[in-house]
Amino acid sequence: RKEVEQDPGPFNVPEGATVAFNCTYSNSASQSFFWYRQDCRKEPKLLMSVYSSGNEDGRFTAQLNRASQYISLLIRDSKLSDSATYLCVVNNYGQNFVFGPGTRLSVLP
Amino acid sequence: NAGVMQNPRHLVRRRGQEARLRCSPMKGHSHVYWYRQLPEEGLKFMVYLQKENIIDESGMPKERFSAEFPKEGPSILRIQQVVRGDSAAYFCASSPGLNTGELFFGEGSRLTVL
Repeated sequence: RKEVEQDPGPFNVPEGATVAFNCTYSNSASQSFFWYRQDCRKEPKLLMSVYSSGNEDGRFTAQLNRASQYISLLIRDSKLSDSATYLCVVNNYGQNFVFGPGTRLSVLP
Repeated sequence: NAGVMQNPRHLVRRRGQEARLRCSPMKGHSHVYWYRQLPEEGLKFMVYLQKENIIDESGMPKERFSAEFPKEGPSILRIQQVVRGDSAAYFCASSPGLNTGELFFGEGSRLTVL
């Protein structure tokens, strides 16, 4: 089983739609969780950290369920500029950051 | 305040040659990570270094690949006797230290092996 798993998509949604991505991780000792965004042929950039209590940043909401080892990202009111690959990232203290394979999102006009 | 700097941005090598990729972390960052991304694939961890130390090299191929992060100067990822399968984007990222959250990425070095 891969350490971090994501549905690769693609998710094709119309502008204004709400879309949700899921991510599961296998290492129960994982401590830090993030969502990164990667545009085509560019470097990944941090979208948001994921906290146990859940957190929101504008149209983006991240949730963490430690018992199920599951992370989610919800995007409301999708914009064309949200089209990208969304990467789930897990970190264990003192160790490397493990990236999921990514979920591709295309927001259509 | 410069970000993570990688060079060269693009590198072309013939099979059997050596490739050297450089990464200067953000100012004040002492931890460097190297990732490889093959076309249409995800980021694969290669190696995690602190100044003068390799912390985790579990993702490095056993042969031909090496990495260093000297006391002075950039981190270097070295690929000897390159093969076509080494063609990929190599991303470097840095962080201030252990368990400090965000990784900051460079723009990547794209290696093409002819």
